[in-house]
Amino acid sequence: DAGVIQSPRHEVTEMGQEVTLRCKPISGHNSLFWYRQTMMRGLELLIYFNNNVPIDDSGMPEDRFSAKMPNASFSTLKIQPSEPRDSAVYFCASSFGGAGNQPQHFGDGTRLSIL
Amino acid sequence: AQSVTQLGSHVSVSEGALVLLRCNYSSSVPPYLFWYVQYPNQGLQLLLKYTSAATLVKGINGFEAEFKKSETSFHLTKPSAHMSDAAEYFCAVIMPGDTGRRALTFGSGTRLQVQP
Repeated sequence: DAGVIQSPRHEVTEMGQEVTLRCKPISGHNSLFWYRQTMMRGLELLIYFNNNVPIDDSGMPEDRFSAKMPNASFSTLKIQPSEPRDSAVYFCASSFGGAGNQPQHFGDGTRLSIL
Repeated sequence: AQSVTQLGSHVSVSEGALVLLRCNYSSSVPPYLFWYVQYPNQGLQLLLKYTSAATLVKGINGFEAEFKKSETSFHLTKPSAHMSDAAEYFCAVIMPGDTGRRALTFGSGTRLQVQP
């Protein structure tokens, strides 16, 4: 079975440019999560969706970040305009069910560098 | 609010030695607990999870963890380390219940080195 698929794997862009990260969750999973990993802050939640609806976006840093899930098989995380401090590894994860005890399956991440 | 603490950001063991990675949680009710492993340039892979069934949980790659409510701990162990176990390990929690937060709260991670 295909796992969580993220694209691109690496992104290098200049400050001020728009960045779009993409995620395809595992088929049949109804929860999708975006996490960010940095040396300073570790792994932290940005936003998560349940049945395509955003449930908790308290981790989204500021208005420059936005996330969408137009259907059950696709989600995007957009940064506009990007800043050097946004440099990090961004992970998408998905799980089945809403009880909380189901494991989340992670993609390989997008390593983002903002110059 | 729940939190999770991993003692020791770096642990070094010899090949064949016992691996012990520590995790303590802080919450008023026992949470769901998870251990994930991250190899370089990869995503996180689930090792094992505790969801209020057996307190001793066996996972993949020979790892296991024991939930101890009295100590609010969920330490990860492996009897004999292998070179391939070198990676970063994360303890994470989710609170149970319909109104609980569904996203993982992660510890700061422990990097395991295995010496030949």
